[in-house]
Amino acid sequence: DAKTTQPDSMESTEGETVHLPCSHATISGNEYIYWYRQVPLQGPEYVTHGLQQNTTNSMAFLAIASDRKSSTLILPHVSLRDAAVYHCILRVASTGANTGKLTFGHGTILRVHP
Amino acid sequence: DPKIIQKPKYLVAVTGSEKILICEQYLGHNAMYWYRQSAKKPLEFMFSYSYQKLMDNQTASSRFQPQSSKKNHLDLQITALKPDDSATYFCASSQTGRGDTQYFGPGTRLLVL
Repeated sequence: DAKTTQPDSMESTEGETVHLPCSHATISGNEYIYWYRQVPLQGPEYVTHGLQQNTTNSMAFLAIASDRKSSTLILPHVSLRDAAVYHCILRVASTGANTGKLTFGHGTILRVHP
Repeated sequence: DPKIIQKPKYLVAVTGSEKILICEQYLGHNAMYWYRQSAKKPLEFMFSYSYQKLMDNQTASSRFQPQSSKKNHLDLQITALKPDDSATYFCASSQTGRGDTQYFGPGTRLLVL
């Protein structure tokens, strides 16, 4: 799986909209962009994923650049519960050789202030 | 109700002993995984199973052995425990094991003294 680059940390205030960037310049055409988040002492929580089109769900909006070399996870109106480490991960789409391995990096620590 | 159960939540063991970490998922998934997270380090993939068969093993040591007695169970047996094995072990599952979304359990925190 190709590599991603994320800022080490970001600061925000409750109620703000947060933009978490992820760079993946060497992404392959069959790689999905996945986002997970993790709070201390808990397992990673799935946030969203996309291939080419922007996606939205109850948690976040994922904006994918037209060349797919970067993406941004947008968290509207963050609360203290959104404070976590956010991981941007590339996953190869379903193939016979895919063993399901997810490769986590250090992610972006999002701090949310009252 | 929790969909992925890991037992125990905390585990303390002595060096050289053997422990089994339990994982059960009630999502109807056919693939299960184990990951490990040591202090201040990213999650590290260990194993993946699909339809109770091993798909991938990224663990160098044979002291770590997954055990799948049922489709929705994937336990992790660790023998000859070492202090370096101290970590939080996360179980995950997905529908098919081929690039689909994985969902994680709450983890088992293992401390080896």
